[in-house]
Parts: sequence; C-alpha cells; structure tokens
Amino acid sequence: DGGITQSPKYLFRKEGQNVTLSCEQNLNHDAMYWYRQDPGQGLRLIYYSQIVNDFQKGDIAEGYSVSREKKESFPLTVTSAQKNPTAFYLCASSMAGLNQPQHFGDGTRLSIL
Amino acid sequence: AQSVTQLDSHVSVSEGTPVLLRCNYSSSYSPSLFWYVQHPNKGLQLLLKYTSAATLVKGINGFEAEFKKSETSFHLTKPSAHMSDAAEYFCVVSDLYNKIIFGKGTRLHILP
Repeated sequence: DGGITQSPKYLFRKEGQNVTLSCEQNLNHDAMYWYRQDPGQGLRLIYYSQIVNDFQKGDIAEGYSVSREKKESFPLTVTSAQKNPTAFYLCASSMAGLNQPQHFGDGTRLSIL
Repeated sequence: AQSVTQLDSHVSVSEGTPVLLRCNYSSSYSPSLFWYVQHPNKGLQLLLKYTSAATLVKGINGFEAEFKKSETSFHLTKPSAHMSDAAEYFCVVSDLYNKIIFGKGTRLHILP
C-alpha cells in the first residue's frame, strides 16, 4: 500500500541537541516537502525538493537542514540553532508539475525536555 | 502576491445539519485551489481540488466546493454533517509558479 511514513511519531530533544526526523515515501513522487505546524498558524514550509540531490529553502528554513540523496527519502534535521523547535512536523510528497495535490505523512511531534 | 483567508477559526454545527466552511483567496493568476482535512495527530488528507475545469467540485465524504471568481471564494459545503466530520479543514491556493499557501485552518465541531 503506497504512502508516506514519518518516524518517530513522538520525539524529545534536549537543549543544544540536533535531532533528525525521518520521511520515506513509496509513491514514486519526485517532489517532497517539510512543513511545521503550530496551533492556529496553519502550515509553514521549511524546505522542499523537486528532484534528487536538489532542495530549496522555504519560508522558515533557519535552524533546519535537509538532504535528498534518494528519491524515496527526505530527512529533516532540527539543529540546536532552532530556538523554538517544539511543533508538529509534517512531510508531504507530490508528483512533478504544476498544482499537484500533496500526500501527507502522519507527522512527528517534537518536544523539548 | 497570493493569499488565502479562512474566515472562521471555529465552526460548530449539529449532526445532520449543513456545513459551510468559508475560504477567500487572492491571486494574480488563475489559481488552483484545494481543501484538505486533518484529524487529530494525523497528516492532511485531500478532500477536493479545483484546477479551472468545472466550478462546482465534488470531493470525498460528501463534501463539495464552488469556485466563484467574482467573489474570489472557494467555500466548502456538505449537506448533512456527521460526527466523523469533526476535524480541522485547510483551504490551500497554488499559483502559476507552484507557490503553495495554506490557510490557517477552520476547526469543525459537530454537536450531537
């Protein structure tokens, strides 16, 4: 069954620690996205990738990094430079081309200890 | 620049009554518009999309939306609410440059 898998579902980070959120898709989609969701603010784009080995910053990229070494995988690292990392993180993918709908994973909730 | 405004942060309806979730957009070009639903601690699921074909778009779970260019609106409706419809709903606009903007969401409460 095709879809997007995010892991872990819950993640705790200590101050000054980097953490990596996993996102894997088996939909054969070219494009992948990372969003941050805070209550009452909708979704904000962190990074996106249209093709393997290429990615672009979204609206709130500071304190985050990504890689896209394989088509299926788009991990997000939340670095210690991100001062307010507590949020719900959503990964999505879509087919290439204009105005394609996005398919979402079930998210990772990150909290600071 | 494009934008999307969901006019209500919360909507409450009784089970079996109609649902109306309002969305207005602003776009310099002919936009594509989407509605997504999100249940608690889950990802977003596509309900329906408009991409310049028929102005009345039918989606899953009995939802539909009408694109009204003159009013720059894309309101989501359902004739009869069910308890399982309780969730958060997002209106999304995408333009010629594939820039995607999410509304801030409307939380739908269903009263028994």
